[in-house]
Amino acid sequence: DGGITQSPKYLFRKEGQNVTLSCEQNLNHDAMYWYRQDPGQGLRLIYYSQIVNDFQKGDIAEGYSVSREKKESFPLTVTSAQKNPTAFYLCASSSSGPSNQPQHFGDGTRLSIL
Amino acid sequence: GQQVMQIPQYQHVQEGEDFTTYCNSSTTLSNIQWYKQRPGGHPVFLIQLVKSGEVKKQKRLTFQFGEAKKNSSLHITATQTTDVGTYFCAGLGDYKLSFGAGTTVTVRA
Repeated sequence: DGGITQSPKYLFRKEGQNVTLSCEQNLNHDAMYWYRQDPGQGLRLIYYSQIVNDFQKGDIAEGYSVSREKKESFPLTVTSAQKNPTAFYLCASSSSGPSNQPQHFGDGTRLSIL
Repeated sequence: GQQVMQIPQYQHVQEGEDFTTYCNSSTTLSNIQWYKQRPGGHPVFLIQLVKSGEVKKQKRLTFQFGEAKKNSSLHITATQTTDVGTYFCAGLGDYKLSFGAGTTVTVRA
């Protein structure tokens, strides 16, 4: 079955530590996205990529970094500079960049601070 | 910047009743999408509206796009327990999809 796989499902970060969230898709989609979801705030865009080797900052990129070396993969690193990283992180993809194409979401990674 | 506001934030509905959630944008949108997120799950695409004044139906769900393409609504009739979840609108403008904060629906049996 085609879809988006996020791992791990739960992740704990220590102070001063960088952690990387994995996102893999086998939908052959060009565009991929990372969102952060906090209670009562909906989905906020962290980074997005419309094509391999290219990505753009979203609304809340500070303290995060991404790479897009392969079409299928769009890992997100939460750096120690992100002072409030506890949240639910969702990865999504669409066949083309932000347009009239629906976004398909993974099951998410819940990140907590130890 | 583009902002999408959604009201109400919470909707408690008696089973069998109708309700409506509203979505308003600060700018004109190219299109609007609606998603549903079940408790503990991830958002799932429901529908997209593109044309001014467009109305689409999915069984008991009716979606509408405003004439000025700055607002949208989702109306659910005869609410069932399967309607529980958070409904998000997402508006496309300036090449970015902006999500509303969502309306979280609970149903009293």
